[in-house]
Amino acid sequence: GDSVTQKEGLVTLTEGLPVMLNCTYQTIYSNAFLFWYVHYLNESPRLLLKSSTDNKRTEHQGFHATLHKSSSSFHLQKSSAQLSDSALYYCALSGSSNTNKVVFGTGTRLQVLP
Amino acid sequence: AQTIHQWPVAEIKAVGSPLSLGCTIKGKSSPNLYWYWQATGGTLQQLFYSITVGQVESVVQLNLSASRPKDDQFILSTEKLLLSHSGFYLCAWSLDWTNTGQLYFGEGSKLTVL
Repeated sequence: GDSVTQKEGLVTLTEGLPVMLNCTYQTIYSNAFLFWYVHYLNESPRLLLKSSTDNKRTEHQGFHATLHKSSSSFHLQKSSAQLSDSALYYCALSGSSNTNKVVFGTGTRLQVLP
Repeated sequence: AQTIHQWPVAEIKAVGSPLSLGCTIKGKSSPNLYWYWQATGGTLQQLFYSITVGQVESVVQLNLSASRPKDDQFILSTEKLLLSHSGFYLCAWSLDWTNTGQLYFGEGSKLTVL
């Protein structure tokens, strides 16, 4: 079945440094949707980015990600981390546009220090 | 604007006791509805989804059941709680199958089973 791998459980970095959170996936569907959700403390998880287009950069709120189907990756990046970026980030996969099964990775906690 | 409300916010229950968690969506007719569960330190695991009243599909078997008695209501329940049921339960909705994966989450219900 579909699966998502986020190898880093915790990423700690200093404010101002670039952010990269890794996400790889497995699916048999060629038109899979990939998502990044952000979960701030005491809030509900919310969508940050989504893409289903190969090699197209998607941006939102300073974050960006590019879906690379050749390597089954959808890494989340930001040029300069802010303290307010500290949160739990989930990569998620919907294997087909007409399925209601959305698979989440284990999440990466981003901790930005001053 | 659409709103999603979950109840109760938190519950402490004994092993073997029954459970009922609820979720109500306002401002959107015929949403797709989902239940997710997150064990402490774990990922978001999809439990059930529903695309219409009276129809619920199970994704993972955890000795839980779900029902959709009304278009805007999704209920998660069990007659006998297990210790392993402890965790955080999130209800979510999406627009329809064309937007599957773009989920809007409620505030969640924290369940502690003793």
